Amino acid sequence: KNEVEQSPQNLTAQEGEFITINCSYSVGISALHWLQQHPGGGIVSLFMLSSGKKKHGRLIATINIQEKHSSLHITASHPRDSAVYICAVSGGDNFNKFYFGSGTKLNVKP
Amino acid sequence: DSGVTQTPKHLITATGQRVTLRCSPRSGDLSVYWYQQSLDQGLQFLIQYYNGEERAKGNILERFSAQQFPDLHSELNLSSLELGDSALYFCASSVWASGRSADTQYFGPGTRLTVL
Repeated sequence: KNEVEQSPQNLTAQEGEFITINCSYSVGISALHWLQQHPGGGIVSLFMLSSGKKKHGRLIATINIQEKHSSLHITASHPRDSAVYICAVSGGDNFNKFYFGSGTKLNVKP
Repeated sequence: DSGVTQTPKHLITATGQRVTLRCSPRSGDLSVYWYQQSLDQGLQFLIQYYNGEERAKGNILERFSAQQFPDLHSELNLSSLELGDSALYFCASSVWASGRSADTQYFGPGTRLTVL
């Protein structure tokens, strides 16, 4: 069983739609990270959170520690949001190990 | 540009060979992380160094080793290469590492290793 499960694996949306990507984890964590990987391969850290909610522009990330669940929302999606979104957690015995979800490939059509 | 540099960008080599991947962290960052991304296994955490010392180990094979030097750059050594080692290898850096805390990681552009 994977320590981090993401859904959906693939997501196609029309420009302007509201998008939600879900992440569940099974280990104790010190933080959860949302990463964005562009088609060219580069990885950017979008959010790091250990409680509550964070917002950057059209992106919102929430985490529920009790339920071990996080969501990444994109409001008013745009074709430039097309990328792979990866959930990762800092966890393990000393909280310095990292576990990754398999990623959600998002395609936003104009 | 994250400020993390990795060399080389691409590396093509043969089975059984040994290669060294290099990473320079952002100025001021003390922690370096290595990750492997293969098509069938996604991203996997390999190892973390903080200020020259190993802090955490993930799914790193015994054929692989890493170190962080006094100037904080890091090298990942891969030996006795197999076809399955073909992957993207990312390095990331962050300011610090602490037991129950975590901080934002900045990723390098990656090294694409192809083993023929």
